[in-house]
Amino acid sequence: DAGVIQSPRHEVTEMGQEVTLRCKPISGHNSLFWYRQTMMRGLELLIYFNNNVPIDDSGMPEDRFSAKMPNASFSTLKIQPSEPRDSAVYFCASSLVAGYSPLHFGNGTRLTVT
Amino acid sequence: AQTVTQSQPEMSVQEAETVTLSCTYDTSENNYYLFWYKQPPSRQMILVIRQEAYKQQNATENRFSVNFQKAAKSFSLKISDSQLGDTAMYFCAFISHNNAGNMLTFGGGTRLMVKP
Repeated sequence: DAGVIQSPRHEVTEMGQEVTLRCKPISGHNSLFWYRQTMMRGLELLIYFNNNVPIDDSGMPEDRFSAKMPNASFSTLKIQPSEPRDSAVYFCASSLVAGYSPLHFGNGTRLTVT
Repeated sequence: AQTVTQSQPEMSVQEAETVTLSCTYDTSENNYYLFWYKQPPSRQMILVIRQEAYKQQNATENRFSVNFQKAAKSFSLKISDSQLGDTAMYFCAFISHNNAGNMLTFGGGTRLMVKP
């Protein structure tokens, strides 16, 4: 079991640029979550998918943020255009829909927008 | 909506001693799960222990145990024989389940420092 795989591990970009974060969930998991972690707000749920379908995106801060899950093994979180306040660690996590399954997290992407 | 509160932003403990991290939550549900996650400086989120709300027996995983008080909506984590590697952020989390699947709500975290 390779676990949840996120890329890149670090991303530094300039304000106004497009940023794409990638996630490969654990094989067989059918729920996928994107979280953002900052010192000020802690862990915030941005969006989650069940069976590749977005269920709740109420945590997505603005229209600059978008997420897709084209298939069961891949998801992206895109920020366009990026702003300095988007600087944070972004986590992807996956779990099973059925039952009270714990979330398994990737190692996160540290995003710095200058 | 569910809320999870960790009232201790930071704690410290001497190596080999015992420390208890507090967590309270608010929910109107009767069936749910509670978790403690550990986030070391490597920033990886690691599941430490889980508790089913319908079980009265407190969960235990080696040096980690919980004190689950359902009526009080309290879910504290006890770390016995603390080790330097236990230094990390600890997050309490509540999971509810509906037809759409699982939703995990985190507390604000407690930063634990184990001192040699």
